[in-house]
Amino acid sequence: DVKVTQSSRYLVKRTGEKVFLECVQDMDHENMFWYRQDPGLGLRLIYFSYDVKMKEKGDIPEGYSVSREKKERFSLILESASTNQTSMYLCASSLPGYRGNEKLFFGSGTQLSVL
Amino acid sequence: KNEVEQSPQNLTAQEGEFITINCSYSVGISALHWLQQHPGGGIVSLFMLSSGKKKHGRLIATINIQEKHSSLHITASHPRDSAVYICAVAVETSGSRLTFGEGTQLTVNP
Repeated sequence: DVKVTQSSRYLVKRTGEKVFLECVQDMDHENMFWYRQDPGLGLRLIYFSYDVKMKEKGDIPEGYSVSREKKERFSLILESASTNQTSMYLCASSLPGYRGNEKLFFGSGTQLSVL
Repeated sequence: KNEVEQSPQNLTAQEGEFITINCSYSVGISALHWLQQHPGGGIVSLFMLSSGKKKHGRLIATINIQEKHSSLHITASHPRDSAVYICAVAVETSGSRLTFGEGTQLTVNP
């Protein structure tokens, strides 16, 4: 089975801190995604990547950046955490494809609280 | 108005009941996904559809492309089916990017 592992299940940070959320997948997937999930808003795409060193902005990239130096690892970076970034963050991966019919595999999520 | 609308938002059923969750969308799509999220956050992909119907165990998913509508059915529901069910669509012009509904919270009581 594909495994998508997120480094932390719960994280508490202070306003202004730099935060790294790590995601690792073990199935050699090209596509990787970072979402945030908020009550009443569903999942929203922050950034995604189709290949190593490649990144594209999603729907809500402001305040975030990403890094993909190796195929299996996709990191989400909050340069200066703010309280409105308190959320559940979910990483996902899939095989290559460009029509949206690739099965997504999700990590367990990181609940980030910014105080 | 969201591009993906799910109904109902919340659903409570008794064990054994037949359950239907609906998803309507307003854009052209290349695929539709049904996902399940259990308490604690983990999300599992249940189905991907671009036409017709798919069945897996007690779960059935259908899609009507002309009407821009999909349904997820659960037969002989069980308390372990309690979860949030999420519909997501791959918009034709957006490649692999998915647009998600807000989810339907299902609670099945014994």
